[in-house]
Amino acid sequence: QKEVEQDPGPLSVPEGAIVSLNCTYSNSAFQYFMWYRQYSRKGPELLMYTYSSGNKEDGRFTAQVDKSSKYISLFIRDSQPSDSATYLCAMGRYGQNFVFGPGTRLSVLP
Amino acid sequence: DAGVIQSPRHEVTEMGQEVTLRCKPISGHNSLFWYRQTMMRGLELLIYFNNNVPIDDSGMPEDRFSAKMPNASFSTLKIQPSEPRDSAVYFCASSLSSSEAFFGQGTRLTVV
Repeated sequence: QKEVEQDPGPLSVPEGAIVSLNCTYSNSAFQYFMWYRQYSRKGPELLMYTYSSGNKEDGRFTAQVDKSSKYISLFIRDSQPSDSATYLCAMGRYGQNFVFGPGTRLSVLP
Repeated sequence: DAGVIQSPRHEVTEMGQEVTLRCKPISGHNSLFWYRQTMMRGLELLIYFNNNVPIDDSGMPEDRFSAKMPNASFSTLKIQPSEPRDSAVYFCASSLSSSEAFFGQGTRLTVV
């Protein structure tokens, strides 16, 4: 089993839809959970960072962490064509390197 | 802060040549990571430094790859000799004690 699993997509949704992106992981020692957005030919850009179980909201984005189920989610409300990108989940522990999921390619169609 | 700065942005070189990629992390960050990204394999960690010391280099493909961090504000990744299969985008990222990592814009390497 891979340490972090993520559906690679591609995922296509109409503009305005709610998008749900998910990752599962196997290592219960992970403490930090992150979502990155990567546009074509650009570096990954940090979107959301959470340290514990629960929800964190930032504008149209909500990150959810369920440590008991080893499951994290990113929700995008009122999705826009500019949200079309690859979304990578990542997790880490203090003093250790990060583990990334393979990324989900999202297309928001106008 | 200007963020993580990588150079060059693009590099095209002939097989067998030496390639050096450079990275300036965000000031104050004490962890630095080198990643390689390809369509087939996604984002792979090559090496990770903490306080300028290499902590985990298990992702370095082979002896042709080497990385250094002579001080807190500079790191290099060297490939010698380069091969066509090394063609990829190489990212440098930095963080403070392995909390959220910030990436540079990457170096797109093509070995012909």
